[in-house]
Amino acid sequence: DGGITQSPKYLFRKEGQNVTLSCEQNLNHDAMYWYRQDPGQGLRLIYYSQIVNDFQKGDIAEGYSVSREKKESFPLTVTSAQKNPTAFYLCASSITGTFFYGYTFGSGTRLTVV
Amino acid sequence: SQQGEEDPQALSIQEGENATMNCSYKTSINNLQWYRQNSGRGLVHLILIRSNEREKHSGRLRVTLDTSKKSSSLLITASRAADTASYFCATNDNMLTFGGGTRLMVKP
Repeated sequence: DGGITQSPKYLFRKEGQNVTLSCEQNLNHDAMYWYRQDPGQGLRLIYYSQIVNDFQKGDIAEGYSVSREKKESFPLTVTSAQKNPTAFYLCASSITGTFFYGYTFGSGTRLTVV
Repeated sequence: SQQGEEDPQALSIQEGENATMNCSYKTSINNLQWYRQNSGRGLVHLILIRSNEREKHSGRLRVTLDTSKKSSSLLITASRAADTASYFCATNDNMLTFGGGTRLMVKP
């Protein structure tokens, strides 16, 4: 079955530590996205990538980094520079252009600072 | 750049009633989408309406789009307890931008 997989489901980070969240899709989608969701809030865009080896900052990119070395993969690193990283992180993918039909989301990673 | 804004923020209804949620946006769009999110889960795509469409149906869902007022509505008919979730609208102007969502509670 085609889909988008995020791992891990839960992640705990110590102060000053970098952590990487995984996002993999087998839908052959060109575009991939990372969103942050705080409790009771909407989604805010962190980074997005519309093509391999290229990505763009979203609204809240500070303290985060990404890479897009393969079409299927778009990992997100939460660096120690991100002062308030506790949140729910969602990855999404889509095709682009005329045949766009919507976004497919992963099931999310809940990150907690301990 | 929060493009879509849903209202109401929260809605509580009895099973069997209809639920209407609204979304407003600020700039021109190619299309508008509605998503559902169950608590602690990812978002599920419900329906997409293109800027040249005025109304679209999918099962118990009815979406309208008024580009002159930059607004859309999502109607869920004959609601069920399983419809309890948060509902988000999103617009696609090169990237997906979301509003804060409407939290719908359907009481059995």
